[in-house]
Amino acid sequence: SYVLTQPPSVSVAPGQTARIPCGGNSIGTKSVHWYQQKPGQAPVLVVYDDSDRPSGIPERFSGSKSGNTATLTISRVEAGDEADYYCHVRDSSSEHVVFGGGTTLSVL
Amino acid sequence: QVQLVQSGAAVKMPGASVTVSCKTSGYTFTSYYIHWVRQAPGQGLEWMGIINPSGGRTNYGQKFQGRVTVASDTSTSTVYMDLSSLRSEDTAAYYCARSLGDSSSMDVWGQGTTVTVSS
Repeated sequence: SYVLTQPPSVSVAPGQTARIPCGGNSIGTKSVHWYQQKPGQAPVLVVYDDSDRPSGIPERFSGSKSGNTATLTISRVEAGDEADYYCHVRDSSSEHVVFGGGTTLSVL
Repeated sequence: QVQLVQSGAAVKMPGASVTVSCKTSGYTFTSYYIHWVRQAPGQGLEWMGIINPSGGRTNYGQKFQGRVTVASDTSTSTVYMDLSSLRSEDTAAYYCARSLGDSSSMDVWGQGTTVTVSS
């Protein structure tokens, strides 16, 4: 089955840039979506279709892909960005949705 | 505005079944798929399955096949998820979420329903 790999944690100082990778075989051929989840809350979509932002999501959130890795980039990180972040793709062979294991962003 | 409102928390005995509902509003019900995603305490997101309310076609994650049933009611714009043969490992928050296509992002989520399996 298809696997998406994320680091368990990423730490960054306020005002710096956080990069959260999501690795998967042939991920370049799939649409990648990203969610932010704060404790006790439902996930919120922050990037869809690799690099598009839903309305209401700050421009500080951006997505990209290169090779077998998609990356969520958060610029000028704020304390309020502390959360778990998940990537999501659909595996076309199984027609199943796959989530990455999630990355906890800590703002130092 | 678009809303997905889920049923309340449930406590079930091992071996029992649970049904979680997801009532939608604010959009054309048959124009969006509905996914079910669960999250065990302290764990990540786990996809359970999807339904296309336009026609009722479903697709389930391999881990849940044979134990999960998802159905939709177009008269009430509600989707139901039934999970049977519950065990303690099924204790989790269960979410419904909508997507425009089966490979599209999940742009609106329900508030979540906590299911506790305990004797």
